[in-house]
Amino acid sequence: QVHLQESGPGLVKPSETLSLTCTVSGGSISGYFWSWIRQPPGQGLEWIGYSHYSGSTNYNPSLRSRVTISVDTSKNQFSLKLISVTAADTAVYYCAREVPTPYYMDIWGKGTTVTVSS
Amino acid sequence: QSALTQPASVSGSPGQSITISCTGTSSDVGGYNYVSWYQQHPGEAPKLMIFEVSNRPSGVSNRFSGSKSGNTASLTISGLQAEDEADYYCTSYTSSSTRLFGGGTKLTVL
Repeated sequence: QVHLQESGPGLVKPSETLSLTCTVSGGSISGYFWSWIRQPPGQGLEWIGYSHYSGSTNYNPSLRSRVTISVDTSKNQFSLKLISVTAADTAVYYCAREVPTPYYMDIWGKGTTVTVSS
Repeated sequence: QSALTQPASVSGSPGQSITISCTGTSSDVGGYNYVSWYQQHPGEAPKLMIFEVSNRPSGVSNRFSGSKSGNTASLTISGLQAEDEADYYCTSYTSSSTRLFGGGTKLTVL
């Protein structure tokens, strides 16, 4: 079965760039949307954005100026970059597979905690 | 875009039924049948419970059902069990092709 695993630094300094990778195992990256969702401590889920396997992307308007999501089909991975981070970006970051029309996230990674602090 | 509106908390006794609402606008919930629901236990990743308003993935109990009327979607859990105690989130496709989550509802089984 398909499995997703997030990886990346658990601590990022303010004003620097948060970079995470999600590795897809047990299945192909083709045919799906690949999404990032985050959850600040004690708060709800926030959709960050997606990259379609073809390379098209869409982002949360509140994060659009700072975020980039990309897919590497050769490595079966997709990644998240968030620039100019602040303490408000501290959260558990989840990667997820989204099924195109009717657009639901059927497989999620376990999540990785990223803390923004000097 | 503002989060979809969910009640902060609901509760029920074992065996009872509860309903969680998820209210949006005609640009999201009301405009598309692309509403899904997720269950999240503490310290775990969310789990898909309902997709396309009322469809259950394989392996999800038929005690979980979904519906929609106008701009409000609903998740109903019948025959409440202790293991249902969790946070529940709705999400919808939007007219901008983005996704919007609800604020989440904490379900307490009394």
